[in-house]
Amino acid sequence: SAVISQKPSRDICQRGTSLTIQCQVDSQVTMMFWYRQQPGQSLTLIATANQGSEATYESGFVIDKFPISRPNLTFSTLTVSNMSPEDSSIYLCSVEGRQGPETQYFGPGTRLLVL
Amino acid sequence: TQLLEQSPQFLSIQEGENLTVYCNSSSVFSSLQWYRQEPGEGPVLLVTVVTGGEVKKLKRLTFQFGDARKDSSLHITAAQPGDTGLYLCAGPNAGGTSYGKLTFGQGTILTVHP
Repeated sequence: SAVISQKPSRDICQRGTSLTIQCQVDSQVTMMFWYRQQPGQSLTLIATANQGSEATYESGFVIDKFPISRPNLTFSTLTVSNMSPEDSSIYLCSVEGRQGPETQYFGPGTRLLVL
Repeated sequence: TQLLEQSPQFLSIQEGENLTVYCNSSSVFSSLQWYRQEPGEGPVLLVTVVTGGEVKKLKRLTFQFGDARKDSSLHITAAQPGDTGLYLCAGPNAGGTSYGKLTFGQGTILTVHP
């Protein structure tokens, strides 16, 4: 399985500011995914980020609020823009497994608290 | 939209007890995955089941995929405090624009008391 790291692991931010979360993988992958998770709850997909194309956003998530970069096959960033307390959550990146995106491997997550 | 209903939502048991978590859908899935997530960590893949009727064992954990590939179960024998965590089932969405996306169940929070 891939080894995935995320930075920062946690942060406390003021409302109105922006935070960029980094996701680094130890191998080249085509598909990367960004999720949001409330503690103790399930995961909600924000967007799919494929290298060489624009990110595809799920219903309820827009590029202006969550801009994503995917500059190469091992790295992606998610920015949470103009934050409000409602953005407090855990943000996770995942990558497709060797057998394809039906199996995904997750990073450790970024715990964000917006005051 | 393919949905996965997971039950129960919460389980609090004593060490040594057995338990089963269910994951049901009205849709057919090509495969289902089970993840465990511990506090402060990301979900960790436990198993992928692919064939209808398939049973996979991982030490004290037994995973079953329904014959019709619409449901799955996770059974833990003689639970230990180290089994505590959030258990999630997930299945891939159908193709087209949904390719690569996973549908997740609501999760089961398991607490095993020593």
